[in-house]
Amino acid sequence: LAKTTQPISMDSYEGQEVNITCSHNNIATNDYITWYQQFPSQGPRFIIQGYKTKVTNEVASLFIPADRKSSTLSLPRVSLSDTAVYYCLVGDISGGFKTIFGAGTRLFVKA
Amino acid sequence: KAGVTQTPRYLIKTRGQQVTLSCSPISGHRSVSWYQQTPGQGLQFLFEYFSETQRNKGNFPGRFSGRQFSNSRSEMNVSTLELGDSALYLCASSFRGDSPLHFGNGTRLTVT
Repeated sequence: LAKTTQPISMDSYEGQEVNITCSHNNIATNDYITWYQQFPSQGPRFIIQGYKTKVTNEVASLFIPADRKSSTLSLPRVSLSDTAVYYCLVGDISGGFKTIFGAGTRLFVKA
Repeated sequence: KAGVTQTPRYLIKTRGQQVTLSCSPISGHRSVSWYQQTPGQGLQFLFEYFSETQRNKGNFPGRFSGRQFSNSRSEMNVSTLELGDSALYLCASSFRGDSPLHFGNGTRLTVT
């Protein structure tokens, strides 16, 4: 299973774009990259998933370079409610994989 | 569609006791995973069940066990509780084992 490395914490201000990068040098061919968001005393919530290039949904974009050894979660125009821990996960698409969460990135959005 | 439901929400037990936690997955989801979350160790994978079979297991002692029923509902059991078992226990379901996880809000277990 590919190990992931993320910054421990990041600060931002309301209205700014936030980019959180995750390193996964040992990513395997079958691995997908998934990001989750977690608020205190709640379970993580799925944000976005991708395999290569760029994926966009209503809340975020995910950029994956050609070598797939890293990925960047982009949150446009963050608000105070985006203050949370963000986890990057890498997993085997073929099923039955163990989902290994890293330490995550604690994002703090200030007014 | 109802989300993942975990019961109870809070639990206080004494060292040496055992505890059973319950998880009802999203309708149609056949994979259920369990995680332990503590401030010091973060989110750690316990085990995953699919169609009543344990497919994967994390690095936890045998005191931690689980099962899945034919309706995909799952239970996890911790026997001979230790103080270090105090944690937030999260259950997640997914359509398969490789699709995005949907988490419940967890059971907060306190061992005294």
